[in-house]
Amino acid sequence: DTGVSQDPRHKITKRGQNVTFRCDPISEHNRLYWYRQTLGQGPEFLTYFQNEAQLEKSRLLSDRFSAERPKGSFSTLEIQRTEQGDSAMYLCASIASGNTIYFGEGSWLTVV
Amino acid sequence: AQKVTQAQTEISVVEKEDVTLDCVYETRDTTYYLFWYKQPPSGELVFLIRRNSFDEQNEISGRYSWNFQKSTSSFNFTITASQVVDSAVYFCALSEAHNQGGKLIFGQGTELSVKP
Repeated sequence: DTGVSQDPRHKITKRGQNVTFRCDPISEHNRLYWYRQTLGQGPEFLTYFQNEAQLEKSRLLSDRFSAERPKGSFSTLEIQRTEQGDSAMYLCASIASGNTIYFGEGSWLTVV
Repeated sequence: AQKVTQAQTEISVVEKEDVTLDCVYETRDTTYYLFWYKQPPSGELVFLIRRNSFDEQNEISGRYSWNFQKSTSSFNFTITASQVVDSAVYFCALSEAHNQGGKLIFGQGTELSVKP
């Protein structure tokens, strides 16, 4: 257990529905990252926050995706109008400046 | 552009064999970090090592050892006397210094299967 927790761990949803994932980082970590991992691939960067500010978004993050980190603590990643191509594991990670990044256990999404 | 290549998709060995996982990277930065992570079937990414680009000293931790060669842009990982519990997918990753170790570029991973 790295101290980064994600919820839910598994989600099955119908195409077109909205889903939201939550990440609670390690408490003293000011930076929080979201990654996506599809089957047989390495994780790919989606976005990151420094405290409550979203500082970078990948081109992978279409306009159906939105991430927030109110008050610089936990973060949510919402996917609207899910598509089958969104099926993946969504990983959250946190880091204190200059240190090692730690990943959560991931949230598996299956869109049927 | 940054890129990490793990040419070995799958490796299968018998317990107690030594195994080396290859990693080749590309970056234009002179300062960067290299990582290895282990991902067991549960899905969690387990941190194994972080190496600064200025530190080419090889490292050994128990049965694990890492060989960093800047001249060939490689950061290979060796498991000595492999065990069944080492079975997992292993990822090599790169982070450029300005990203302060947070934004990682991952390779595609090598799935290691250690058979009893």
